[in-house]
Amino acid sequence: GAVVSQHPSWVICKSGTSVKIECRSLDFQATTMFWYRQFPKQSLMLMATSNEGSKATYEQGVEKDKFLINHASLTLSTLTVTSAHPEDSSFYICSASTGVGQPQHFGDGTRLSIL
Amino acid sequence: DAKTTQPPSMDCAEGRAANLPCNHSTISGNEYVYWYRQIHSQGPQYIIHGLKNNETNEMASLIITEDRKSSTLILPHATLRDTAVYYCIAGFSGNTGKLIFGQGTTLQVKP
Repeated sequence: GAVVSQHPSWVICKSGTSVKIECRSLDFQATTMFWYRQFPKQSLMLMATSNEGSKATYEQGVEKDKFLINHASLTLSTLTVTSAHPEDSSFYICSASTGVGQPQHFGDGTRLSIL
Repeated sequence: DAKTTQPPSMDCAEGRAANLPCNHSTISGNEYVYWYRQIHSQGPQYIIHGLKNNETNEMASLIITEDRKSSTLILPHATLRDTAVYYCIAGFSGNTGKLIFGQGTTLQVKP
């Protein structure tokens, strides 16, 4: 089946640091990937849609200059949390689909803790 | 994407069938019904999806009503490892459609 891999799985860093999270589709090509954020005891919230070779589409309320998304190849999208602060601490999850009408497959998530 | 409504929590005895309902009364004709589950601190796991017909795979069965306004996910023989939050989503998905998650149903399988 389709496999989506995220790295790192857990990161702890100081306030003001920028953190990059990678999302890879291991056995299929993904022209579109999706980034979600999840706070404790809440559901997943879609942050942005990452499009290969073009700019990401951000959901309302998500700061595009804060959360930089790059989708440089058909198997890799990256999310960079710039100048991270404690309120950015969350569980970040990416997903990708193998095609129209097909289900999205999710990575195992990245737990980000900003001290 | 159509809004979905699920009960916040359900219990099920181990070994029995778990039937999880979902209402999606505003679903449009070409939107799929997707089911995912999330075990604590992991990414969501795809279970099953369907458009109009009932579907079955190695994990579960999906029953969609004829008017497509509701569906039921059936786990035929629930185990303790099936304890998770189950999300029902109506949407286009694929490489163009985004999925909007609701609050889901927390299923507790008890011994």
